[in-house]
Amino acid sequence: EDQVTQSPEALRLQEGESSSLNCSYTVSGLRGLFWYRQDPGKGPEFLFTLYSAGEEKEKERLKATLTKKESFLHITAPKPEDSATYLCAVQAGYGGSQGNLIFGKGTKLSVKP
Amino acid sequence: KAGVTQTPRYLIKTRGQQVTLSCSPISGHRSVSWYQQTPGQGLQFLFEYFSETQRNKGNFPGRFSGRQFSNSRSEMNVSTLELGDSALYLCASRFLLSTDTQYFGPGTRLTVL
Repeated sequence: EDQVTQSPEALRLQEGESSSLNCSYTVSGLRGLFWYRQDPGKGPEFLFTLYSAGEEKEKERLKATLTKKESFLHITAPKPEDSATYLCAVQAGYGGSQGNLIFGKGTKLSVKP
Repeated sequence: KAGVTQTPRYLIKTRGQQVTLSCSPISGHRSVSWYQQTPGQGLQFLFEYFSETQRNKGNFPGRFSGRQFSNSRSEMNVSTLELGDSALYLCASRFLLSTDTQYFGPGTRLTVL
């Protein structure tokens, strides 16, 4: 069964304190792994797509990496405005869930000034 | 370019009623997917439409249905509402079925009393 597990569920950081969020997955032929950011009461905002092990992508203070079993979202010197829930999702290449996104439960990040 | 729009943003219904939610995709996008988000289950895939045809369906009862119009706009209907249907309903669009990245709208918050 295709599934995504994110850890930790919640993370509290001080401003400037770097850390990483984890997303482990099992999927029938990974077609893509996606990271989204969601603020309270809003829809998920697209951040990154990763396709193959070893791939890395960066955007401002965020860097996403991918291995064959998991992905990491590294946050360098976070600011309070980085506070949000970060969602990881995978898209299967084949099987019953082909095409749709399978989401993890998310990591709620709080960055204190 | 305008993003995905959803109407209404908030809705309150009572058990047994039915509800229709609307989604307008990003201009030029032809695929529309619907997701249900609850605190307990997270984001779960409902169905995807492309060229007015349902292409993929998640594990939800038949009370949940949808359709897509020739202009790619989509509607989702839930009949005989139950308390457990209270959730944030999110619509996402992508250019084609072969396009991986999905962009989400702000969601419709449905409360069933």
